[in-house]
Amino acid sequence: GAGVSQSPRYKVTKRGQDVALRCDPISGHVSLYWYRQALGQGPEFLTYFNYEAQQDKSGLPNDRFSAERPEGSISTLTIQRTEQRDSAMYRCASSLVQNEQFFGPGTRLTVL
Amino acid sequence: GIQVEQSPPDLILQEGANSTLRCNFSDSVNNLQWFHQNPWGQLINLFYIPSGTKQNGRLSATTVATERYSLLYISSSQTTDSGVYFCAVEEWGGKLIFGQGTELSVKP
Repeated sequence: GAGVSQSPRYKVTKRGQDVALRCDPISGHVSLYWYRQALGQGPEFLTYFNYEAQQDKSGLPNDRFSAERPEGSISTLTIQRTEQRDSAMYRCASSLVQNEQFFGPGTRLTVL
Repeated sequence: GIQVEQSPPDLILQEGANSTLRCNFSDSVNNLQWFHQNPWGQLINLFYIPSGTKQNGRLSATTVATERYSLLYISSSQTTDSGVYFCAVEEWGGKLIFGQGTELSVKP
């Protein structure tokens, strides 16, 4: 597959549980971005990486959210102690450095 | 931060009609992208257009960076064009700031 992939596609969890969302970018893409999209809204920036370095995490809503990209390829977004307000579509995108971004299919997270 | 406003918020067209969607932004931007979110939720890249005009089939886009707006033209609309169209501008550093979208419904 040549596109961005994300897993799982759907995740239902109970309040208080931790979740890990995975993103596999397009091969060769240096930059990787995480966004969150509420129903009826446009995606909102969370954080991004160039290679393995986290360049900007200003969009992470609080310290329950963290992201890593240890080998400069696959990235994981982790949400600890989930709350109902965390329910949303979580989208990953990748690009060459400061170039056109391509999005994966997203992970739909539902916190009960 | 940069504000991105899209208009109209909703649009209903008869199949075969043409339409123009507008995106205004509040400050200088590095780049601009147009996306189509289809009914299955996938974000499809339409145009990467910091300035000038591009065309792809029935779709074309124009960005006038000095006046801080971009237009997306859809000609001879088809039912498969239905969905939400997003404009997103790139701040220096790479992150995209999205507008609220235009929800398009094309009726057969």
